[in-house]
Amino acid sequence: GESVGLHLPTLSVQEGDNSIINCAYSNSASDYFIWYKQESGKGPQFIIDIRSNMDKRQGQRVTVLLNKTVKHLSLQIAATQPGDSAVYFCAEIGPYNFNKFYFGSGTKLNVKP
Amino acid sequence: DAGITQSPRYKITETGRQVTLMCHQTWSHSYMFWYRQDLGHGLRLIYYSAAADITDKGEVPDGYVVSRSKTENFPLTLESATRSQTSVYFCASRWDWGQETQYFGPGTRLLVL
Repeated sequence: GESVGLHLPTLSVQEGDNSIINCAYSNSASDYFIWYKQESGKGPQFIIDIRSNMDKRQGQRVTVLLNKTVKHLSLQIAATQPGDSAVYFCAEIGPYNFNKFYFGSGTKLNVKP
Repeated sequence: DAGITQSPRYKITETGRQVTLMCHQTWSHSYMFWYRQDLGHGLRLIYYSAAADITDKGEVPDGYVVSRSKTENFPLTLESATRSQTSVYFCASRWDWGQETQYFGPGTRLLVL
């Protein structure tokens, strides 16, 4: 099966600083990647996605970078706010079946006021 | 717009009992999914369905049964609950091809004693 891992299980940042959450994936043929945010007691919420033919994609305060050479994905959050405190997951979508998402165990982001 | 809902939100049962978790979506999404979330394992796919009466196994299907008689509903049944099935269960859905992003429900916390 696929393997998606996160470099840091917990990340603490000061409010207003930028946050960077990293993710490694194992299948170089994977075509699609998604970042999800999960607040305590809630289901994962879609943040941003990127396809393998892109290196960078920007959303509102978030940017996803994809480095296919080293099979690495990162999520950058600009001007981190207390409401950004949550667990962040990356999901790798297999090249052979778009219904099978492979999730990492998540990184917990703590935003200090 | 209710989106995707799950019931019950919390359930306590005993080993050997049958339990059914309900999932309902109002978006008319073709695809629906069931995941379990355990500490250290992230989200793992149990079953998914491409349409009414079409289901397929995911990564961890043993001990679970699904059905999909109507597009909007996708119940998950634990035929004989075991303690190892204590987990948080999430239902998700997505559109047809070209829209791979999955949208998650709020989850059901299941405790098997």
